[in-house]
Amino acid sequence: DTEVTQTPKHLVMGMTNKKSLKCEQHMGHRAMYWYKQKAKKPPELMFVYSYEKLSINESVPSRFSPECPNSSLLNLHLHALQPEDSALYLCASSWDHNQPQHFGDGTRLSIL
Amino acid sequence: EDQVTQSPEALRLQEGESSSLNCSYTVSGLRGLFWYRQDPGKGPEFLFTLYSAGEEKEKERLKATLTKKESFLHITAPKPEDSATYLCAVQESSGGYQKVTFGTGTKLQVIP
Repeated sequence: DTEVTQTPKHLVMGMTNKKSLKCEQHMGHRAMYWYKQKAKKPPELMFVYSYEKLSINESVPSRFSPECPNSSLLNLHLHALQPEDSALYLCASSWDHNQPQHFGDGTRLSIL
Repeated sequence: EDQVTQSPEALRLQEGESSSLNCSYTVSGLRGLFWYRQDPGKGPEFLFTLYSAGEEKEKERLKATLTKKESFLHITAPKPEDSATYLCAVQESSGGYQKVTFGTGTKLQVIP
């Protein structure tokens, strides 16, 4: 079991749906991350939050909208996704930017 | 362009057959190199952090080493449960946020 909890584990949605992915950590980490991972590929960074403020947006399409309500929670709001957005979405956290990241087990997202 | 390259892409070993995985990197200022293990359908699990050339870290059958241009993950007498994809990630010092770049991974299979 990981210390970073992601829900749901699996999500199937249509291209017109709105859904949210959730991530929670209680390790006191101040940096949190969203990654996208396609099959047989490494994780690709999407967003970084540092002390609850968005510090990095890696040119992610606006149909992905991150939110950090507090230091323990990170959400990823999804709207009007495309089939190519189907992937494993990983959340990670770390004490600070130069510390190891601890990952959740991800949400497997399928867009119909 | 900064790059992180892992080799081989896939490795098949007999149980007890020791080997090494390679991670080569070209970054302007290394802040840290991380090794992760990823099992299918799971998030990456942190193994080691290396910060400077000459540094070594060990954990059970795994030993990670670092030079100025590459890192090795040595696996001694592997067991089937060591089968996984091993990812290295490099953190670069370039002012502001220090982005972590993942390599494409080495898929290790250990045959009983």
